[in-house]
Amino acid sequence: DIQMTQSPASLSASLGETVTIECLASEDIYSNLAWYQQKPGKSPQLLIYDASSLQDGVPSRFSGSESGTQYSLEINSLQSEDAATYFCQQHHDYPYTFGAGTKLELK
Amino acid sequence: EVQLVESGGGLVQPGRSLKLSCAASGFTFSNYYMAWVRQAPTKGLEWVASITNSGGSTYYRDSVKGRFTISRDNAKSTLYLQMDSLRSEDTATYYCTRDILWVSFDYWGQGVMVTVSS
Repeated sequence: DIQMTQSPASLSASLGETVTIECLASEDIYSNLAWYQQKPGKSPQLLIYDASSLQDGVPSRFSGSESGTQYSLEINSLQSEDAATYFCQQHHDYPYTFGAGTKLELK
Repeated sequence: EVQLVESGGGLVQPGRSLKLSCAASGFTFSNYYMAWVRQAPTKGLEWVASITNSGGSTYYRDSVKGRFTISRDNAKSTLYLQMDSLRSEDTATYYCTRDILWVSFDYWGQGVMVTVSS
């Protein structure tokens, strides 16, 4: 199985700041990487697919990038509504696997 | 507007069965792979099973293989998950998702809770 190691597990940031969340794949997943946002009591929502493509309707302050098997989600100009848990997920091979999640708290 | 609405969850004893349904609307159901993803209370996300658009092929995580069966009725735009021999570790919220091959789960239902307990 492909392991997705996500970091950090949690972070706290202020409004207007920029944060970065990372995921390391245990093998090459050929950019088949998605990022999801989940707010408490809600379903996950797709933010980024193909490592760096923004899903329709997602604010442009969200962006994704990759370097080898390391994938990153950057959130610029943090807004209060960005407080949530973020998950990465490889969609390259079965079984599809998710990172453990990053809980983002706004100060 | 794409909508996925799950039903069929509840409290069930270990070893018993439960069948989840997901009614899809707002897109041509028969054109898309579909999947179930679950989330145990206060835990992360875990892919459970996927099915091709025709229903001809299915894929499962090891821990549910032989116990769960994913299926679909394209005429009714409905996805199913038959869960047999349920265990306490199957307790979770189950999400129906649209599975874009090689890409992502682009739409998710609201989720349905399954609790396995005596």
